[in-house]
Amino acid sequence: EAGVTQFPSHSVIEKGQTVTLRCDPISGHDNLYWYRRVMGKEIKFLLHFVKESKQDESGMPNNRFLAERTGGTYSTLKVQPAELEDSGVYFCASSSYYEQYFGPGTRLTVT
Amino acid sequence: GQQLNQSPQSMFIQEGEDVSMNCTSSSIFNTWLWYKQDPGEGPVLLIALYKAGELTSNGRLTAQFGITRKDSFLNISASIPSDVGIYFCAGAPPTNDYKLSFGAGTTVTVRA
Repeated sequence: EAGVTQFPSHSVIEKGQTVTLRCDPISGHDNLYWYRRVMGKEIKFLLHFVKESKQDESGMPNNRFLAERTGGTYSTLKVQPAELEDSGVYFCASSSYYEQYFGPGTRLTVT
Repeated sequence: GQQLNQSPQSMFIQEGEDVSMNCTSSSIFNTWLWYKQDPGEGPVLLIALYKAGELTSNGRLTAQFGITRKDSFLNISASIPSDVGIYFCAGAPPTNDYKLSFGAGTTVTVRA
């Protein structure tokens, strides 16, 4: 069974640019999550989808972040415009129930 | 999210040693999960705990869900070199079983 996949693995962009991260969950998992870890800090929850619906987006930092999950399969997280403090590793996870399985992450560097 | 205090922040292991790490919180949790992250990879789920007092093993790993529901520990017995990495605890509160809060991680490295 394929695990959670994320694309790209790394992204370097300039402040003010736009970046879109993609996550493909484990097949059949209705729950999809985005998390972020900034340098030296703990992994923090951003949001939770159940199928195509946003169940909880209380961790989204601000309105420069937009997450979508059209059709309830893969998800995208767009940052527009990117700021320096958005740098970090963005993880996607998926689950059937409570056990969340993580992807390898996308390392975003904003210069 | 809830704040989890994970300790120690780092530790050195010698092959064959038993090691232990723990997480505490000021709030209760319904679920405790332990993950391990290797460089360049995402966190890998090691053990999931769902009941206060529960003790669960996965090979050389043993984790317990504290009876107060505010803490958990992870033990690694007879450590081997591939045990190096970052270990994270994560918990979900009663109000939302899906919203994990993470500890800051315990970095395990091999003692030279």
